[in-house]
Amino acid sequence: SQQGEEDPQALSIQEGENATMNCSYKTSINNLQWYRQNSGRGLVHLILIRSNEREKHSGRLRVTLDTSKKSSSLLITASRAADTASYFCATDAMSSGGGADGLTFGKGTHLIIQP
Amino acid sequence: DVKVTQSSRYLVKRTGEKVFLECVQDMDHENMFWYRQDPGLGLRLIYFSYDVKMKEKGDIPEGYSVSREKKERFSLILESASTNQTSMYLCASSPDSFNQPQHFGDGTRLSIL
Repeated sequence: SQQGEEDPQALSIQEGENATMNCSYKTSINNLQWYRQNSGRGLVHLILIRSNEREKHSGRLRVTLDTSKKSSSLLITASRAADTASYFCATDAMSSGGGADGLTFGKGTHLIIQP
Repeated sequence: DVKVTQSSRYLVKRTGEKVFLECVQDMDHENMFWYRQDPGLGLRLIYFSYDVKMKEKGDIPEGYSVSREKKERFSLILESASTNQTSMYLCASSPDSFNQPQHFGDGTRLSIL
């Protein structure tokens, strides 16, 4: 079943502005990952944040994780036209038996950066 | 860099055909995955494999099977293709299923007529 849900489904901003996408999930997780997908291509891993971390940075990307609210956000600062893509969160959920069940992806946020 | 290669970018087959989608990775990863991606539904896991000859069902295994005879190759098989299997199929690999990023191929857009 679908674990992560991104919000908004679509986002259009001007180049240079910041873009924020949110992800909510339902069950306990080991980690949460964000991926980017350019049109017609496969997914590219952006960043992984573990359940005991609250914030992580990578270049212009900032990810936060709030396990009490079961939510995460991805912030892209100083956006560029090349950031136009779909962004997915993926959770590594714990099964009821204590082992992991593999990644479960949300439906994605389609980000458009207007030049 | 890790390279995951899917044998075809586009494929058109007919209802009832047996269809093979091939995926090869060059980084000696233990784990490989097959997903399908549909508009409005996101990515859904079909099957995954932890090791040669090992396989586990994902969320939507019905109508599919897989084969992993060699570590670098993971095949998805549609036993008798149906129109509802028209989709984008994505293969991925990782050195560890649950704590490492997955590396994706560029996908195979499969149309079943």
